Order: sequence, then C-alpha cells, then structure tokens
Amino acid sequence: GAGVSQSPRYKVAKRGQDVALRCDPISGHVSLFWYQQALGQGPEFLTYFQNEAQLDKSGLPSDRFFAERPEGSVSTLKIQRTQQEDSAVYLCASSAQAGRGTSYEQYFGPGTRLTVT
Amino acid sequence: GDSVTQMEGPVTLSEEAFLTINCTYTATGYPSLFWYVQYPGEGLQLLLKATKADDKGSNKGFEATYRKETTSFHLEKGSVQVSDSAVYFCALSDYTGGSYIPTFGRGTSLIVHP
Repeated sequence: GAGVSQSPRYKVAKRGQDVALRCDPISGHVSLFWYQQALGQGPEFLTYFQNEAQLDKSGLPSDRFFAERPEGSVSTLKIQRTQQEDSAVYLCASSAQAGRGTSYEQYFGPGTRLTVT
Repeated sequence: GDSVTQMEGPVTLSEEAFLTINCTYTATGYPSLFWYVQYPGEGLQLLLKATKADDKGSNKGFEATYRKETTSFHLEKGSVQVSDSAVYFCALSDYTGGSYIPTFGRGTSLIVHP
C-alpha cells in the first residue's frame, strides 16, 4: 500500500510569510509525529498525535509553530511569520501502534525541505 | 533527558570491508533501540531494532546487539556494498511523561567505494 506522503516536497518562503506543510500518513495509523531535521543533524521531535488528539507538543520551538490533525488522518504543520532559522527538512512519520509498547516502528515520509530567504 | 551519541562521519570504506558504526545512549527508562537508514532523496527507513538487553536485531546483513551494561547499540556488517552508501541513524524510544518521544542521533554518513 501507499506509504507516508508529504507535500510540498520543496518550499521556498520569504521571511515573514506563513507556510503550511501537509502529511498524509499510512491509512489506519493511529500515531503521527512531526520532526525537524537541520542539515547534518538527526530528526528533532516537534509534536505527536494519537488519532486527532495532540498528546505532546513540547518540541515545537515557538508559538509560531502550530500542528493539527482534525479528523485523525491528514495532518498539517503551520509555521507563521517564518524566520531564516526555520529552514530545515520537516519530516512526518506514522505508526500503527499507540500505548505503552515501546517497540513500534515509525514509517517516515520523504520530508518537506523548507528554505526561508 | 534521553540522548543518543553516534560516531561522526563520514565513514569511507571499500566494497567488502567490515563496517562498525558506534552508538551509545542515555535513557531514564528501559528504551527500545533502533537503527534507521536514509538513502539519498528518501525518507528514513527502519533497518533493525531491539527491545531488551542482549537482543540482537538483524536485517540485510546488518546486526546490532542491545548492550545494557555498556549502554551501546553498535551497528555492524561483515561485507559492505556500494548500495549501502547512506546515512545511518541510531535512535531510542522511551516512555517519558505519558508519551513516546523518540530520540535520534545525529546520523553517520557511510560512503562505500567500488
């Protein structure tokens, strides 16, 4: 079946613009994660959804970042008034499992590369 | 908090050489450990995992053993191929504060020459 898809794959924004990044998880996956990956670094956790509930948003770097998953499937990460330091690859991952099991596998999308000029 | 430390790359090898990529971790709980691989232009893919001490994860000729006493999860392969060229990420998953917040290392780039 289809994997995790993200759109757009590339986004160039002028400083101060708002952007919206979309993630389509694998159908039926309960958990959805957003990560930020700077050049040469590993993914850094931003936020986590279980179905439509945002259970953890401790990784969002500022109140300019906002994520939603209103129907428990597609998710959107919105960045308001973009700054140059927001330039990074934004990764989405989904997982079939939720709860206390620690061995779940995350399936990653290809990412959206955001460049703020 | 939890953290993962990987050896810095790039690691450059000739085809059929032996590969080791070191990974150590710190965690407050009893985490599961993972290796992910990212090929150029693609998303991260799970390579292998281990959920408890002394477990060995293996896939595509790669292996890693969960060593609780040394808090390590080193990745090994006996004979690398050019197609193994990619970035490898060590990661852990720990139940902290009511949810799972996966923690990734910085990644190690592997370049295999023919």
